Amino acid sequence: EVQLVQSGAEVKKPGESLKISCKASGYTFTTYWIAWVRQMPGKGLECMGIIYPGDSDTRYSASFKGQVTISADKSIDTAYLQWSSLKASDTGVYYCARQEYRGGWDVWKGMDVWGRGTTVTVSS
Amino acid sequence: DIVMTQTPLSLSVTPGQPASISCKSSQSLLYSDGKTYLYWYLQKPGQSPQLLIYEVSNRFSGVPDRFSGSGSGTDFTLKISRVEAEDVGVYYCMQSIQLPWTFGQGTKVELK
Repeated sequence: EVQLVQSGAEVKKPGESLKISCKASGYTFTTYWIAWVRQMPGKGLECMGIIYPGDSDTRYSASFKGQVTISADKSIDTAYLQWSSLKASDTGVYYCARQEYRGGWDVWKGMDVWGRGTTVTVSS
Repeated sequence: DIVMTQTPLSLSVTPGQPASISCKSSQSLLYSDGKTYLYWYLQKPGQSPQLLIYEVSNRFSGVPDRFSGSGSGTDFTLKISRVEAEDVGVYYCMQSIQLPWTFGQGTKVELK
């Protein structure tokens, strides 16, 4: 069974750093992209960026570039999302999701498997 | 960025009755490979989104056949032929033809 298991909820103070994880199982980690999606409290879904664990090729949405770092460790089938200095506005639920790339056509399919999400609360 | 606009934003449906959600994109989602990269997701209360429909009209594995998708270019529709209690939640359309992937605002479906 294909699964993405995300790390547990975090409560942090503004200015602190944080790294959350997404561990893949049930498929070959290096053959799919991983997308990170934010959901702020009571709001919709926003794509933050995507990473290809095979070579760590990363694409950021303009809104999130410079605000977060997306990485992956293919030796342990795990993708990461990290912040160096959290703000209260980073409060939300963060999902990782698997995404297939059609290399011959340079296009991505939509996300088919999602993690359960990691709740991040930033409050003083 | 491609803007995805859903209507309505909320829907109250009697169980057993049909429901329909519209999604319009600010530019065509038809790619040069002939496929259209429009997806529908359902986020049930307290859960992560789940894929319902891929590439406009294809039901994902395990999705009941009461769900159907249609449309082309920039105009798309998700239909539920007979709403059941387990269908409540927020429905999102999403495009993957151009980064960043963008979602509609979501349509909240509840039972009357």
